Amino acid sequence: NAGVTQTPKFRVLKTGQSMTLLCAQDMNHEYMYWYRQDPGMGLRLIHYSVGEGTTAKGEVPDGYNVSRLKKQNFLLGLESAAPSQTSVYFCASSYVPGTDTQYFGPGTRLTVL
Amino acid sequence: AQSVTQLDSQVPVFEEAPVELRCNYSSSVSVYLFWYVQYPNQGLQLLLKYLSGSTLVKGINGFEAEFNKSQTSFHLRKPSVHISDTAEYFCAVSPPWGGANNLFFGTGTRLTVIP
Repeated sequence: NAGVTQTPKFRVLKTGQSMTLLCAQDMNHEYMYWYRQDPGMGLRLIHYSVGEGTTAKGEVPDGYNVSRLKKQNFLLGLESAAPSQTSVYFCASSYVPGTDTQYFGPGTRLTVL
Repeated sequence: AQSVTQLDSQVPVFEEAPVELRCNYSSSVSVYLFWYVQYPNQGLQLLLKYLSGSTLVKGINGFEAEFNKSQTSFHLRKPSVHISDTAEYFCAVSPPWGGANNLFFGTGTRLTVIP
């Protein structure tokens, strides 16, 4: 039981490059989330999914796209990276929102030059 | 809307001393409250949560928190800290109707335990 895994762990991009972050969970959770963590700002929700095939915008969705083609996977894409997207990205999952514990992956540290 | 304030960005404390990490929330309705811990180079994990019932909530690793509705606070405490408690601690709030986009995190408090 690996829980929530994220790949890659680190990445350096140049401005304008694209990349996809992969999140996988083996807990059969319906809900999945992508957050970014910036110094002094806590975690902010980028996008989330309430089930396979569905996604929705969170607090800071601009510049990102997501897809949930399979229940266990949640992909976060950056089509044209900008330095403002330098951050640590966390994926999380839960059975239900609100009261349920969110289980987090180990994070991806992304630097955009 | 709900929001969380963690006034202390950094808290240094000597090993075996007690610690309190402060969390205040703002909400016009009742809320659910959470404390998450992030150890170095790891993701967040749940320490404890308050949904209803007893205002004193016990969590993992000897931590506890007390919900105080009149002071809109949910402070985290541990009577004797260990080196392994060095981490960043996040308070979070959610309204009772839940919602996948309704969990709001504070800015975090970095606890450093000094040997």
